[in-house]
Amino acid sequence: QKEVEQNSGPLSVPEGAIASLNCTYSDRGSQSFFWYRQYSGKSPELIMSIYSNGDKEDGRFTAQLNKASQYVSLLIRDSQPSDSATYLCAVQGKMEYGNKLVFGAGTILRVKS
Amino acid sequence: NAGVTQTPKFQVLKTGQSMTLQCAQDMNHNSMYWYRQDPGMGLRLIYYSASEGTTDKGEVPNGYNVSRLNKREFSLRLESAAPSQTSVYFCASSEVSGWNEQFFGPGTRLTVL
Repeated sequence: QKEVEQNSGPLSVPEGAIASLNCTYSDRGSQSFFWYRQYSGKSPELIMSIYSNGDKEDGRFTAQLNKASQYVSLLIRDSQPSDSATYLCAVQGKMEYGNKLVFGAGTILRVKS
Repeated sequence: NAGVTQTPKFQVLKTGQSMTLQCAQDMNHNSMYWYRQDPGMGLRLIYYSASEGTTDKGEVPNGYNVSRLNKREFSLRLESAAPSQTSVYFCASSEVSGWNEQFFGPGTRLTVL
């Protein structure tokens, strides 16, 4: 079982719709969760961090965390073509790696105008 | 602030050649990281430095060495390049090790023939 799993996609949504990106993780002890956006040929860019159960909103982005279900999601409201990118979920990893971040392989999002 | 910078941007090596990838950050961060990114596999941690003067292995350290030259600079060396090391390499930094948000450099695209 991979430590951090994401559906590779592509997830296609029409412009203006809500895009829902999901991520599950295996380490119950994880405390920190991050969403990165990566445009093709570019480096990952941090867009959201979440540390406690519930929702965290920042503009059009909402991160949701459910530690009991080991599930974290990212909602993008009013999706724009400029949101088309790969979204990486990152979770604080196991102790043997010094609690370092473990990344999922990413979900490709395509927003169609 | 330039953030995290990396050199070179692109490099082609022949099998057996050596090279050093350079990374520097101007955010006064304590922790620095080296990742590789391969298609379908996400970002994998090669080595990290929790603070100046310390380095530790990550998930995929074989074939690499690192040097934390000072608080700003963290280099990655390939002593004898192999085709399996063809990848995109990212350097990242964070204020402290572990749960903090990480910020990424622009990456180095390395091809080993």
